[in-house]
Amino acid sequence: EPEVTQTPSHQVTQMGQEVILRCVPISNHLYFYWYRQILGQKVEFLVSFYNNEISEKSEIFDDQFSVERPDGSNFTLKIRSTKLEDSAMYFCASSWGTSGETQYFGPGTRLLVL
Amino acid sequence: DQQVKQNSPSLSVQEGRISILNCDYTNSMFDYFLWYKKYPAEGPTFLISISSIKDKNEDGRFTVFLNKSAKHLSLHIVPSQPGDSAVYFCAASGSRLTFGEGTQLTVNP
Repeated sequence: EPEVTQTPSHQVTQMGQEVILRCVPISNHLYFYWYRQILGQKVEFLVSFYNNEISEKSEIFDDQFSVERPDGSNFTLKIRSTKLEDSAMYFCASSWGTSGETQYFGPGTRLLVL
Repeated sequence: DQQVKQNSPSLSVQEGRISILNCDYTNSMFDYFLWYKKYPAEGPTFLISISSIKDKNEDGRFTVFLNKSAKHLSLHIVPSQPGDSAVYFCAASGSRLTFGEGTQLTVNP
């Protein structure tokens, strides 16, 4: 069964450093998403991406964040200068369509900013 | 953001009995609702969904009920099994998913 994969599973970084989280969505899906879950809090939407551009972003997704689909299979989330409060689980998801279509999630990357 | 709320942080049931997980929402523009199951250190796994034009959807042991007038949905698992023990999230879909806080279900053998 096709699945979303994410690398790395864990990432530890120093405050102020750049990190890139990687995702391989399900191959025939057209919509890609990033969510995050800070420990003890809800899963929160960050950004959605379709047709090589951002289709929607939340207020969390500020100028420190960027997304890219550098090739036909990878989807990346870059955090330019990490802050302590960026520590969270980051989940990638993909779907065939938008509203009304199920989003399938990857296993997540646990990011710890020291 | 209180648009989707799961008021019970935990639920404990005996194996073989029914588990009922509840979820309330406030935004009447949501058109699709989903339930995800999550184990520790894993991503949310899709379980079952329901369109806002329906009031019930069933898939094996899992049934989701939607009461639009009350802005309430519930997930019924019957019979419950120990392997069902996990955190269950309801999520509402517009262009993005809005999640509830999750309910930790424990099914005791």
